[in-house]
This record gives sequence, structure tokens and C-alpha cells, in this order.
Amino acid sequence: GAVVSQHPSRVICKSGTSVKIECRSLDFQATTMFWYRQFPKKSLMLMATSNEGSKATYEQGVEKDKFLINHASLTLSTLTVTSAHPEDSSFYICSANTGHNSPLHFGNGTRLTVT
Amino acid sequence: EDQVTQSPEALRLQEGESSSLNCSYTVSGLRGLFWYRQDPGKGPEFLFTLYSAGEEKEKERLKATLTKKESFLHITAPKPEDSATYLCAVQEGSGGYNKLIFGAGTRLAVHP
Repeated sequence: GAVVSQHPSRVICKSGTSVKIECRSLDFQATTMFWYRQFPKKSLMLMATSNEGSKATYEQGVEKDKFLINHASLTLSTLTVTSAHPEDSSFYICSANTGHNSPLHFGNGTRLTVT
Repeated sequence: EDQVTQSPEALRLQEGESSSLNCSYTVSGLRGLFWYRQDPGKGPEFLFTLYSAGEEKEKERLKATLTKKESFLHITAPKPEDSATYLCAVQEGSGGYNKLIFGAGTRLAVHP
């Protein structure tokens, strides 16, 4: 149980284009999902908290107009990297949990490369 | 400032050579400490949650322990398939109930 699916696993795009990443909870409903970014050999950094039916909560220093988050249903959150630049190249990972005191379960991540 | 520090940064073991990974933390109020395993190019896989000092959890060759300032992940007689990055994360009292602060991880390589 508690499977989180992320798609695509890899994406290459050109500078200036936008990329959408999907995160789905397959066997449970998630009112809240979390988007992380990971640099090589570095910690996972929380970017934003995605709330079903309301606006996402962004961490300090994360541009909300650049990283658009939509949580339209209890099983799907999307992260859109708008006007991507090479410095946006990174490993993006989403997560969710089944309840207040349960651990976070992570998707398998999306490797974004902006050329 | 809340902080999570993992050591060593990298660890190389021979198969069967037991060792421990350390996770030191400073948070205003610990609600939970989590251990995850991450394979290259994959998302973290949940291993354990510890809530209070003195608590221990075990799973196969792994055992996690918790004190008021740190947690250890003990690996007994490791096998090559235990090779991965092990991440520690803490959930602090004033943050959102699932807002986790991660350490940078320990990259473990177990050689036959």
C-alpha cells in the first residue's frame, strides 16, 4: 500500500519551455502532497506543500510563478516548471502520506534536464 | 535553526562488516525521526519512524535507535544489496505535521 507514482521519470527540454510533472497517489487519497528538489549529494529540499482544492504553500526562496502547483483531485498533484532554464535542471520528487501520523511515501522522482 | 547532520558522508564496507550510521539533529521539538533508503535515480523508500528517546526499530539487517540528540542506523552483517544512500529526516514541533528536514545522507557501498 501507499504507492506514489510520478511521471515522467526523465525529461529533457529546451530553455524557455515549460514542463509538467505529475504525482499520483495510487491506492490512497492524499489531501496534501509535497514537492521536493534534490541536488547531487545534497539533502532533499522542500519546495512546496500542495493542498487539494486550495493554493499551494511555497517555502521561502521558491518562486511560485516559476513552479506552478495544481492539486485538482485527491490523487493528483502537478508541478509545472515554467520558462525553464538550465539552472532548473534537477531531480524533483513528490511525496504524500495516508494520514497525520503516517510517514511520507515518495515517488520515484523526475530527472529534469534543461538544455 | 533546525538542523540535521549525517555522518559519515560515505562509507565503504566489506560484506559482513557491521557498522553504524549517525544522524545528529537540533530541533525545537522533535515529533518524529525518519530513516529512508534511496537508490540511485529513485525516490526515498521509507524504513523506520522513531518518536522518543530510547526507542528502537528493527528490519532485517537494520536497526535504528534514538536518543535526545541523535539517531543511529546499525547495519549488521551487510550484503551488497544494502548499498544505497541512507537519509535521515526529522519532523519538528512547530512545522506542518509532515514537514520534514532532511540530512544530506550517508552513501553506503558494501563490497563482496
